Amino acid sequence: SQTIHQWPATLVQPVGSPLSLECTVEGTSNPNLYWYRQAAGRGLQLLFYSVGIGQISSEVPQNLSASRPQDRQFILSSKKLLLSDSGFYLCAWSVREDYYNEQFFGPGTRLTVL
Amino acid sequence: ILNVEQSPQSLHVQEGDSTNFTCSFPSSNFYALHWYRWETAKSPEALFVMTLNGDEKKKGRISATLNTKEGYSYLYIKGSQPEDSATYLCALMTTDSWGKLQFGAGTQVVVTP
Repeated sequence: SQTIHQWPATLVQPVGSPLSLECTVEGTSNPNLYWYRQAAGRGLQLLFYSVGIGQISSEVPQNLSASRPQDRQFILSSKKLLLSDSGFYLCAWSVREDYYNEQFFGPGTRLTVL
Repeated sequence: ILNVEQSPQSLHVQEGDSTNFTCSFPSSNFYALHWYRWETAKSPEALFVMTLNGDEKKKGRISATLNTKEGYSYLYIKGSQPEDSATYLCALMTTDSWGKLQFGAGTQVVVTP
């Protein structure tokens, strides 16, 4: 069966510090991978998605970047965090051949920028 | 960015009562509508993927209907139980945004015993 891992679960970082959130998927190959953020009182906003190693599409201009160094690894980064980067970050995957793109979510990371 | 709206934002239901809530979306270029359930301290979990006008899906006491011509979907919970307490999200996929889902803000359901 497939599983998706995210870490850390919670993170408190000062403004201006770097960020690295990691997501890995097990039990599948060539998944589509996604990073979402839920800001307070709002829905899930798609930040990045990837259809393969090194292929990243950015949905919203922002202070964040993403990388996919391996097939089942997706990393969300920032060089300098802003207060507005606080939120709940979710990684998700979907089967590339699934035309309806059902997505499976990880446990999430709660990021607080102070 | 597609405008996917969910209403109400939250609702409180007495155990045993039935309830329903709405997801509204632009009707043009429709491809699929997803419903997810997101329980506190857990990951969002897929409930249904709806693909055709008039499509209806059912899973236990939860069911959903879809009207792509007018751009809405209803989610129904029959005989609500405390374990139904969660935020219910809908997400739209269009023919020109394949592979990407646009989520609504969710409806938070609280079922009280």
